[in-house]
Amino acid sequence: DVKVTQSSRYLVKRTGEKVFLECVQDMDHENMFWYRQDPGLGLRLIYFSYDVKMKEKGDIPEGYSVSREKKERFSLILESASTNQTSMYLCASSKGRNSNQPQHFGDGTRLSIL
Amino acid sequence: AQSVTQPDIHITVSEGASLELRCNYSYGATPYLFWYVQSPGQGLQLLLKYFSGDTLVQGIKGFEAEFKRSQSSFNLRKPSVHWSDAAEYFCAVGIGAAGNKLTFGGGTRVLVKP
Repeated sequence: DVKVTQSSRYLVKRTGEKVFLECVQDMDHENMFWYRQDPGLGLRLIYFSYDVKMKEKGDIPEGYSVSREKKERFSLILESASTNQTSMYLCASSKGRNSNQPQHFGDGTRLSIL
Repeated sequence: AQSVTQPDIHITVSEGASLELRCNYSYGATPYLFWYVQSPGQGLQLLLKYFSGDTLVQGIKGFEAEFKRSQSSFNLRKPSVHWSDAAEYFCAVGIGAAGNKLTFGGGTRVLVKP
């Protein structure tokens, strides 16, 4: 089975801090994704990557950046955390370049910014 | 741009009763279609997917979904609900673009009454 591991289940940070969320997948998938999930809004794509060192903006990239130095790891960075970034963050990965491949999700990181 | 609508935010169903969750999409061609389930505190798990062919697809946990091109719908069904089916369900659409992106609906939360 595909395993997508997010480094923290719960995280509490302060306004203005630089925050790193880490995600690792073990199935040699080309594509990796970061979403945020808020009640009633479903999942919204922040950034994705289809190759090492490649990144593409999703629907809501403002206030975030990403890093993909190795194929298995995709990091989400909040440059200067703000309270409106309090949310559940989900990482996903998928194989290949065709969107008929399902995405596999981690268990999520619930981030609170105080 | 494509969009996905799940008209029902909450559904309450009695254990043993049937369940149908609605999903409508907006896209010019036939997209790739997915249903995911999210149990409390967990990531998303793939229930089933549709790419082409038979419009009635079977998934895990006894779920099925039917693609209706004329209605731009992909509704999820289960004949007899179990208490463990209480969760949030997300419909998602993929298009043939690089990077395997998905667009998610807002989700439907299912409550199961004993």
